[in-house]
Amino acid sequence: GAVVSQHPSWVICKSGTSVKIECRSLDFQATTMFWYRQFPKQSLMLMATSNEGSKATYEQGVEKDKFLINHASLTLSTLTVTSAHPEDSSFYICSAYRSGQPNQPQHFGDGTRLSIL
Amino acid sequence: SQQGEEDPQALSIQEGENATMNCSYKTSINNLQWYRQNSGRGLVHLILIRSNEREKHSGRLRVTLDTSKKSSSLLITASRAADTASYFCATDAAGNNRLAFGKGNQVVVIP
Repeated sequence: GAVVSQHPSWVICKSGTSVKIECRSLDFQATTMFWYRQFPKQSLMLMATSNEGSKATYEQGVEKDKFLINHASLTLSTLTVTSAHPEDSSFYICSAYRSGQPNQPQHFGDGTRLSIL
Repeated sequence: SQQGEEDPQALSIQEGENATMNCSYKTSINNLQWYRQNSGRGLVHLILIRSNEREKHSGRLRVTLDTSKKSSSLLITASRAADTASYFCATDAAGNNRLAFGKGNQVVVIP
C-alpha cells in the first residue's frame, strides 16, 4: 500500500527557532502534496498545496513567509515554520496521492506535534 | 470554499453495536471520502464515494451519499474496541484531490 512518512514526529523548541518538517511518499510519486494544521479536538485545516517544481499554493490567511514549502522532488515536500512562536504550536500533517490519477484517496503522514516554548 | 460538516457527535457505544455518523456539505462535489484518525496520529482512508454513486461497502463499513440533500452517512457494523477513533468526512469539489474536512465525530467503543 501507499505509505507517506513524516518526520520528525515531535518537536519541542524555543521561540524564534525555525523548524523543518519532511513529508515523503515512500512507494509512489506525488507531484502534489498537502499540508494541514490541526488544533486539539478540531478538524484539519488545509494550509497549502505543495507542487513539485513550482511554488506552493497557500490558503487564505496562511502566511507564506511564515510557512515555507519546498517540493524539490516527486517524493519529498518540506514545510519550514520560520521563527516559530508559541502560537505556532500545533499538530501538522501532510498528505499525498498518486500522481496522474483522479479520484484517489489521500495518504497521510503520522503528523508532527510542534511545541514552541 | 467547500466544507464538509458532520453533525457534532460524540458516540459512545457497546462493542457489537452499530455506529452511524452523518456528514453534510454545502456545494456540489466530485467525490466524498471518509477517514479515521486515532488519537495523535495521521488519517487513514476508509472509503471514497463518487458523486454518481449512492452506496458503497467495505468490510463492516457502509457509506451512503445523497447528493440531493448534500449529505453522507457512515455506518460501522458490529463495532469493536479497535474502532475507537475520530471519523472525518472530506469533500473534493473539483476532482483535484483538494479536500475540505468536516468537524469529525469521536467514537468510543466500550469493550
